[in-house]
Amino acid sequence: AQSVTQPDIHITVSEGASLELRCNYSYGATPYLFWYVQSPGQGLQLLLKYFSGDTLVQGIKGFEAEFKRSQSSFNLRKPSVHWSDAAEYFCAVVPGYSSASKIIFGSGTRLSIRP
Amino acid sequence: DGGITQSPKYLFRKEGQNVTLSCEQNLNHDAMYWYRQDPGQGLRLIYYSQIVNDFQKGDIAEGYSVSREKKESFPLTVTSAQKNPTAFYLCASRTKARNTEAFFGQGTRLTVV
Repeated sequence: AQSVTQPDIHITVSEGASLELRCNYSYGATPYLFWYVQSPGQGLQLLLKYFSGDTLVQGIKGFEAEFKRSQSSFNLRKPSVHWSDAAEYFCAVVPGYSSASKIIFGSGTRLSIRP
Repeated sequence: DGGITQSPKYLFRKEGQNVTLSCEQNLNHDAMYWYRQDPGQGLRLIYYSQIVNDFQKGDIAEGYSVSREKKESFPLTVTSAQKNPTAFYLCASRTKARNTEAFFGQGTRLTVV
């Protein structure tokens, strides 16, 4: 079945430490990939997206993500987190086949920052 | 400013009543989506529409209905048949091109008492 997996439900990191949030997908063709961030009670904001080309993409707020086709992964990274990065993060996929229009979301990873 | 607007932000209803959530966009987007969000379950797709007067069921359409009479508007009705309607509802829109991101509204928190 088509799916997006974020294996970490909740992660806590210290302020200033590096961060990596994992995302795996299960589609045959190369999908279109996104990372969104959500503050409590708010909508989702796009952090970055990958469609083709360079597999390392830069986003807003100092985030980056790397697409690895061999591992079906699109992990989100940040070299040094700030307290304001505490939020929920969602990986999302638009399948690569021609009739696709649905956006499939992972279950999210909640990020807490330790002072 | 272009954007997507959901109203109201908070909604309270008695059990057994139908309720309609509003979603309007002025981004000239063809596709619109409704998601339901519950703690620990991410976003689950209720309905989506790629064009006016057409829409498709998502993964959890039972107990919900939608209409798409105008490109700008995609209201969601939560009917009394929905067993557990209390949740956070998010509306999104995007262009028809697959390589584009979705833009989200600020959400409506529905509480049924």
